[in-house]
Amino acid sequence: GAGVSQSPRYKVAKRGQDVALRCDPISGHVSLFWYQQALGQGPEFLTYFQNEAQLDKSGLPSDRFFAERPEGSVSTLKIQRTQQEDSAVYLCASSLEISDTQYFGPGTRLTVL
Amino acid sequence: GNSVTQMEGPVTLSEEAFLTINCTYTATGYPSLFWYVQYPGEGLQLLLKATKADDKGSNKGFEATYRKETTSFHLEKGSVQVSDSAVYFCALSDLSTAGNKLTFGGGTRVLVKP
Repeated sequence: GAGVSQSPRYKVAKRGQDVALRCDPISGHVSLFWYQQALGQGPEFLTYFQNEAQLDKSGLPSDRFFAERPEGSVSTLKIQRTQQEDSAVYLCASSLEISDTQYFGPGTRLTVL
Repeated sequence: GNSVTQMEGPVTLSEEAFLTINCTYTATGYPSLFWYVQYPGEGLQLLLKATKADDKGSNKGFEATYRKETTSFHLEKGSVQVSDSAVYFCALSDLSTAGNKLTFGGGTRVLVKP
């Protein structure tokens, strides 16, 4: 079946612009995670949803970062007033239940100029 | 808090050589341990996992044993192939204290030469 998909795959933004990154999880997966991967580093947790409820947003680096999953399926990560330090690959993962294996999407590479 | 430390790369090997990537962790609860692999141009894929002490995870010729006494989860493969060239990430999740979010190490790049 289809895996986790993310769009766009690449995004270039000028400093100060707002961006929206989309994640389509595997159908039926309850849990959805966002991670940020800086160049040459391991992914770092941003936020987590169970269905439409955002249960943990402790990893969001600032109030410029906002995530939503209004119908418990597709999720959007929004970054307002982008800064150069926001340049990274943003990964989305989903799992059937909270304790199950997480399956990752291909990521969105964001470059802020 | 939870953390994962893995050996820095790059690790360069010849085909059929033995591969070891060291991974140690710090966790306050009872973590599950994972190795993920990222092949060039592809997304993260689960390679293997172990959910309790002394469990051995294995897949595609790779193995790792959950050692609670040494807080380690070293990855090994007896005979690597060129196709094993990738970045390998050790990770943990601790459902008892931190939900199921994954904490990753920094990654180890492995290059296998023919």
